[in-house]
Amino acid sequence: DTAVSQTPKYLVTQMGNDKSIKCEQNLGHDTMYWYKQDSKKFLKIMFSYNNKELIINETVPNRFSPKSPDKAHLNLHINSLELGDSAVYFCASSDTSGGAYNEQFFGPGTRLTVL
Amino acid sequence: QKEVEQDPGPLSVPEGAIVSLNCTYSNSAFQYFMWYRQYSRKGPELLMYTYSSGNKEDGRFTAQVDKSSKYISLFIRDSQPSDSATYLCAMRHTGFQKLVFGTGTRLLVSP
Repeated sequence: DTAVSQTPKYLVTQMGNDKSIKCEQNLGHDTMYWYKQDSKKFLKIMFSYNNKELIINETVPNRFSPKSPDKAHLNLHINSLELGDSAVYFCASSDTSGGAYNEQFFGPGTRLTVL
Repeated sequence: QKEVEQDPGPLSVPEGAIVSLNCTYSNSAFQYFMWYRQYSRKGPELLMYTYSSGNKEDGRFTAQVDKSSKYISLFIRDSQPSDSATYLCAMRHTGFQKLVFGTGTRLLVSP
């Protein structure tokens, strides 16, 4: 039973294309996140949604647009892909409704390669 | 300068060694400190978290936070080849969900 799942696992595409990555969590969490991990393993948050509402929006190009159809899903759409977008994208989720600490659970990642 | 600094390694040790992994940070508002382990081609998984200063132990792992020095450590006792992975420190403010990560230290434990 995968807690946080992402599709696709690998994505190879040409510069200028538009692509989407999907994320689903079956943990009943209220908050979901997108992170980007570059080639040097640096993991940086991009967006976060709480109950379908955008709560974190880091300095990310407008070409990246998250969409949360419901609190179990958070998708990432990327327009006009560039070489620098090549990275591993991780989805994560957490339950922020309880106490002060809440663990973020990460998905397996989507490895995006832009040629 | 990054908010959280971590030596990328790799750190190579023989099986059974004690491993010390460290991070320094600049933002004194951080209150929650976490260590994640990431195996190759996998997502990060939480190892330990600590609130504010102090020590926390879980089996072979001990996490330490020294807020006065803005320095956190993860110790691994009796290291095993299965501990070979990248270890990422992460931290955040109270009430704010944004995790700020270090760059990760790659650990290699040889049999």
